[in-house]
Amino acid sequence: NAGVTQTPKFQVLKTGQSMTLQCAQDMNHEYMSWYRQDPGMGLRLIHYSVGAGITDQGEVPNGYNVSRSTTEDFPLRLLSAAPSQTSVYFCASSYGAGEKSPLHFGNGTRLTVT
Amino acid sequence: GNSVTQMEGPVTLSEEAFLTINCTYTATGYPSLFWYVQYPGEGLQLLLKATKADDKGSNKGFEATYRKETTSFHLEKGSVQVSDSAVYFCALRGVTGRRALTFGSGTRLQVQP
Repeated sequence: NAGVTQTPKFQVLKTGQSMTLQCAQDMNHEYMSWYRQDPGMGLRLIHYSVGAGITDQGEVPNGYNVSRSTTEDFPLRLLSAAPSQTSVYFCASSYGAGEKSPLHFGNGTRLTVT
Repeated sequence: GNSVTQMEGPVTLSEEAFLTINCTYTATGYPSLFWYVQYPGEGLQLLLKATKADDKGSNKGFEATYRKETTSFHLEKGSVQVSDSAVYFCALRGVTGRRALTFGSGTRLQVQP
């Protein structure tokens, strides 16, 4: 029972490089989302999706793109990495978008931009 | 907008001590409330939840009661163990808009033997 799988676990980028953080879930969840975790700030929503083909911006979307071509996958793209994007990134999913549905989290990707 | 405020840490306790981590929230309508726990190097795991006023969520000896009148969802445990050392996040999921979780800043708990 894999749940939410994120790859890679660690990544170091130079300023200006691009990369894609992968997220896959095997629970047939409609709702998927990306958060970043920074010290003392909790988790902040970057982008989210309520189903295949549908995405929308969260609280801190600048510098990131997403797509949702399948129910299972929700990759996060950094277009041109900046040191301010150094963070731990979490992908999360839930069965529905209703307020009663808890989110299930992956184990995170720790990204350092130098 | 929605917001969650929780007590700053770290909270340091001896084993078998009583734990309270305060959490208050601001939200429109009747959100659902959650406590998540994050162990070192891992993602967040759902600890407990409550979806309506006066509901009590409980799991692994932890409890929290949804208090609409005080907009609070304080986490309690009667006797903590070293294995409870982690970061605890209070969160709410709103009834409108992005349907995202809004998190507090997290409280680190350190339990000493």
